[in-house]
Amino acid sequence: GEDVEQSLFLSVREGDSSVINCTYTDSSSTYLYWYKQEPGAGLQLLTYIFSNMDMKQDQRLTVLLNKKDKHLSLRIADTQTGDSAIYFCAEGDSWGKLQFGAGTQVVVTP
Amino acid sequence: DVKVTQSSRYLVKRTGEKVFLECVQDMDHENMFWYRQDPGLGLRLIYFSYDVKMKEKGDIPEGYSVSREKKERFSLILESASTNQTSMYLCASSLWTDNQPQHFGDGTRLSIL
Repeated sequence: GEDVEQSLFLSVREGDSSVINCTYTDSSSTYLYWYKQEPGAGLQLLTYIFSNMDMKQDQRLTVLLNKKDKHLSLRIADTQTGDSAIYFCAEGDSWGKLQFGAGTQVVVTP
Repeated sequence: DVKVTQSSRYLVKRTGEKVFLECVQDMDHENMFWYRQDPGLGLRLIYFSYDVKMKEKGDIPEGYSVSREKKERFSLILESASTNQTSMYLCASSLWTDNQPQHFGDGTRLSIL
């Protein structure tokens, strides 16, 4: 299958911006997704971006897509302790299947 | 809001047992998925279904089977549980239309002793 790669860990101070990076390999992906998983819970959809877009902003979240480099990033402004979680990026195919990265553990320190 | 409900949050079974994990969604979604989640590996697709009585193998179907007798319910079956199937299992559903996001249940943490 196709590979989606993410760094495994990010530490950020409360109030700073977090940037989580992801690379994917399937150039035919139509949508790319960011999910959040809090301890002991399932995955919560945060946001997604259509492949013909470069950027999408939703309150504190900004998604940037560089389709040429197959690079996706999620920026969280004014990071709070409640943002501590595992963040997964995923690429979708036309059948609705998703290929997930291994997840980035974000730890927010006071 | 979409609600995907997995029947158990925690489950402990013994090696060799037949294990059933149940998932129900309430939004009339056509697509349903079963994943397992292991540290450092992300989510890996076991099986998925596009409609009632239809099933497709995902990336790691060995040792598992599924059943979809009703649109809202998708069951994962471990035919003869083994210790390497100890994991977190996540169910998801989505609409059939192009690239609709998947909605997840809270997961079942399964331990095989």
